[in-house]
Amino acid sequence: EPEVTQTPSHQVTQMGQEVILRCVPISNHLYFYWYRQILGQKVEFLVSFYNNEISEKSEIFDDQFSVERPDGSNFTLKIRSTKLEDSAMYFCASEPVPGTSGREQYFGPGTRLTVT
Amino acid sequence: GQNIDQPTEMTATEGAIVQINCTYQTSGFNGLFWYQQHAGEAPTFLSYNVLDGLEEKGRFSSFLSRSKGYSYLLLKELQMKDSASYLCAAPYNQGGKLIFGQGTELSVKP
Repeated sequence: EPEVTQTPSHQVTQMGQEVILRCVPISNHLYFYWYRQILGQKVEFLVSFYNNEISEKSEIFDDQFSVERPDGSNFTLKIRSTKLEDSAMYFCASEPVPGTSGREQYFGPGTRLTVT
Repeated sequence: GQNIDQPTEMTATEGAIVQINCTYQTSGFNGLFWYQQHAGEAPTFLSYNVLDGLEEKGRFSSFLSRSKGYSYLLLKELQMKDSASYLCAAPYNQGGKLIFGQGTELSVKP
């Protein structure tokens, strides 16, 4: 069964450093998302991406964040200068065609980011 | 705006039935999802309701009442492995982001 994959599974970085979190969505999916979950808190939407551009972003997704689909398979989230409060689990998700019946977002296993 | 409420935690006994409730307020309705999330893992899809009524899928069923802004997830014949967080989520618009509730942490005791 196809699945969303993410690397690395765990990333430790120092405050102020840049990190790139990588995702490979399911191959025939068209909509891509990043969510984050701070320990003990709810899953929060960060950004959605469709047709090679951001379709929506949350207030969390400020100028320190960027997303890219550099080739036909990878989908990356970059944090330019990490802060302590960026420590969280970051989930990538993909969706086949939004708005169709039986739609669901498929989540990757997540990258645990720890900023020290 | 969007708001999703669900109880923070519940405890049930192995073999029993448990119902996890979710109430929502959304600016438009595009269905309601239930996801299961084990600690440290990704949410996994359980169900999607867009019409009123009960949808059964094995030991898990999900109910929706659009007029009441209410849904529940029913888990039957509970097993220890069902101990997890159950997330209620609604799409914000036709093709977009999911808004999640806080999640209900279910503990299944022997």
